[in-house]
Parts: sequence; structure tokens; C-alpha cells
Amino acid sequence: AQSVTQLGSHVSVSEGALVLLRCNYSSSVPPYLFWYVQYPNQGLQLLLKYTSAATLVKGINGFEAEFKKSETSFHLTKPSAHMSDAAEYFCAVSDRLGGGFKTIFGAGTRLFVKA
Amino acid sequence: DTAVSQTPKYLVTQMGNDKSIKCEQNLGHDTMYWYKQDSKKFLKIMFSYNNKELIINETVPNRFSPKSPDKAHLNLHINSLELGDSAVYFCASSQDLDGQNTEAFFGQGTRLTVV
Repeated sequence: AQSVTQLGSHVSVSEGALVLLRCNYSSSVPPYLFWYVQYPNQGLQLLLKYTSAATLVKGINGFEAEFKKSETSFHLTKPSAHMSDAAEYFCAVSDRLGGGFKTIFGAGTRLFVKA
Repeated sequence: DTAVSQTPKYLVTQMGNDKSIKCEQNLGHDTMYWYKQDSKKFLKIMFSYNNKELIINETVPNRFSPKSPDKAHLNLHINSLELGDSAVYFCASSQDLDGQNTEAFFGQGTRLTVV
């Protein structure tokens, strides 16, 4: 069965510092992996996705993530945090189920950015 | 044009009432979902429909009944509302392209408060 674990429910960084949000997954088949961002009172927006092409995936807003099969990890990084990056971040794994796909989300990591 | 739209955005109702939340997507996707996000931001899949057929039905009380009149719509009806049903409900859709899962596109959410 697939599952997603996000390490750290809260991460706090200073503006301009490196952002690292950790995600480990469990899946019986090569997975589809996603990172989503949720701003207050909004729906989820896709940051980036891994679909078995390049292991280093670049997304929007300067974020990127690296798929490491040996570590079953898909950590999200950004070299320099901006105040506008403060939000809730969700890692998700998806694989085929029946005629469609089932996407499971991690518990989320709240990113705080200090001035 | 809103890709995935939900109505209403806010819903306040008394215990025991029956209510519905509507969802429509104009992306031409085959798969639609309902997720529940609790107060701790945890996102849990409830249902998934692929081409109007139910493919995922998680352990959700049978007071919750999804209905998909066509593949662009997935409505959620809730009978005998309870306090614990208070949450934000998200509708989402995705597409299966040549066996590859695209990301899920989310609606803005419906904040349900049961009093």
C-alpha cells in the first residue's frame, strides 16, 4: 500500500535561507510523486511532479525536488526563501487503482519564513 | 474560467440536516475526487470516480453519498450531519494520459461548519 511521510509538521527558516522540506514515500510500484502548496483559505496548487523522467524536478517559484529511489525520498528544496513562500506544503504519491489513480497526501508541513 | 469549481464556498448548518456540495470541472478530465481536510490540515481521500464510475470509496460513513451525473460533475450529499463532519471539503480532478497520471487540480474548497 502506498503512503507518504512528511518529516516535521513545522519548519521555520529566515528569509534568504535554504528551504528543505522532507518527504518519504512507500509504494509497491514506481510512483508518481507530487508537491503541492496551500495558501491560507485556498485550494492546493501543484508545485512540481515526478513521473519517472528526470530525477531532479524543477517546479514553480524556484522550488525543486530530487527523487531518490534508494532512499524512497522526494525532498523539496529552494535555495533562498521568500516571505511569500510561507504556506502549507503537501507531498503526495499516486498510483493506479482500478480504472484511475489514487493520490495519497502526507500530513503537510507548515513553512514559516522569518524576516 | 475556473477549472474546478465548488459551491458553496461556505456552509453553516445544524446537526441532523442534509446538505449537498456541488463540483464541476471544465478540464475534460476523466477522474474526479472528494477530499476532506480536517482542522489539522490533514487531507484524506473520500471518493474517486473515473468516467462516472466509483473506483475509490474509503472508509467513509454511508451518510456521505457521491453522485456523478456525468464525468464533469461530482456532487457530494451528506445526510444527518454531525459535528465531526465540520471540515473543508475539496473536489479535485485529474486525467490519465497514456497510462500516466497527471496532477490533480483542486477546487477552492467548501468550508462546512456543523453547529
